[in-house]
Amino acid sequence: DGGITQSPKYLFRKEGQNVTLSCEQNLNHDAMYWYRQDPGQGLRLIYYSQIVNDFQKGDIAEGYSVSREKKESFPLTVTSAQKNPTAFYLCASSIAPRRGYTFGSGTRLTVV
Amino acid sequence: GDSVTQMEGPVTLSEEAFLTINCTYTATGYPSLFWYVQYPGEGLQLLLKATKADDKGSNKGFEATYRKETTSFHLEKGSVQVSDSAVYFCALSDLGTSGSRLTFGEGTQLTVNP
Repeated sequence: DGGITQSPKYLFRKEGQNVTLSCEQNLNHDAMYWYRQDPGQGLRLIYYSQIVNDFQKGDIAEGYSVSREKKESFPLTVTSAQKNPTAFYLCASSIAPRRGYTFGSGTRLTVV
Repeated sequence: GDSVTQMEGPVTLSEEAFLTINCTYTATGYPSLFWYVQYPGEGLQLLLKATKADDKGSNKGFEATYRKETTSFHLEKGSVQVSDSAVYFCALSDLGTSGSRLTFGEGTQLTVNP
């Protein structure tokens, strides 16, 4: 079955370290997205990519980086410059926004 | 720019009660409208959608009608169950102004008690 896989489900990071969250899809979708969700709050867009080798900043890109070397993969790196990285991170993909998004099951990142 | 406003939560109901979660939107184009549901610790799942005025999206007993005249897309269910407890997000896609992005509301937490 097609879908989006995010890994790991839980991730712990020491302060000052970079970590990379994985997002892989086998839906043949061109567009992919990364969102951050804080407890009791809505979704905030970090980065998105409409095509391989191209991506755009979302509303809260500072302290994050992405790459899109393959259509299937859109990894997110949370750098040490992100001052408050503890959150739930959601990856999504879409064949066309007017058809909606398909979401992964999320990665919960905790800074220890 | 585009925006989505949902009724503030949390909403607490008893089992078999009627549910309405209000959603209104602002868009310069002709958007598609969506409701997503998020169960605890999980990602979002598409619940239903509508792409043009007067369309009714429906799924799992939930319904929402695209009302262009009132710019609304309220979510309703006639009889909620404990298993409906989740966070519900209203969203829109307006290709003309938001390009490749969906615009989400803040989400409404629903708790259904037995």
